[in-house]
Amino acid sequence: DTAVSQTPKYLVTQMGNDKSIKCEQNLGHDTMYWYKQDSKKFLKIMFSYNNKELIINETVPNRFSPKSPDKAHLNLHINSLELGDSAVYFCASSQDRDTGELFFGEGSRLTVL
Amino acid sequence: AQSVTQLGSHVSVSEGALVLLRCNYSSSVPPYLFWYVQYPNQGLQLLLKYTSAATLVKGINGFEAEFKKSETSFHLTKPSAHMSDAAEYFCAVSRGAAGNKLTFGGGTRVLVKP
Repeated sequence: DTAVSQTPKYLVTQMGNDKSIKCEQNLGHDTMYWYKQDSKKFLKIMFSYNNKELIINETVPNRFSPKSPDKAHLNLHINSLELGDSAVYFCASSQDRDTGELFFGEGSRLTVL
Repeated sequence: AQSVTQLGSHVSVSEGALVLLRCNYSSSVPPYLFWYVQYPNQGLQLLLKYTSAATLVKGINGFEAEFKKSETSFHLTKPSAHMSDAAEYFCAVSRGAAGNKLTFGGGTRVLVKP
């Protein structure tokens, strides 16, 4: 069983569309994250949820909206996609909010045309 | 504020040779430090972490790292490279406090030559 799973793995779409990426973890962790990895492999945190509560919200355009229906799921919805949104988006989880030991999913590669 | 600098975006080593990846950090509080590895088309995997206990930390796959406060460094080493070590390596720092946020370095790609 995959510990942190993301769907879809690949997403190709047109500018202006709206898309969602789903993430689920079966580790029983309390905290989940979204990270963005750009074409130069630079990783930056976007959001973090702890027990369904938003605890980290970096400077991200409000076209990006995370949703955590329960502590095992953290979805990312993106409105009005732009070329610059093309990246690999990683979901991760950790036991609690104070540890840096993250478990990552395999990533979702988003390409905006 | 915290930041991480990894010296060298690419490192090429021969199989069996020493692997040395450099990481320097800045942090206003005692840091927690991490090395993660990313194999092609995969997510990141924790190699090892320093959380204020022993300064020499051993991780998986024969890797280790030494925390040197005076040099604000956390370099990663492996005595003998294996072909399977070819990957991207990321150093990261966190405050270890509530609302934890990992800050990653830019990554170092390791190429292993036969």
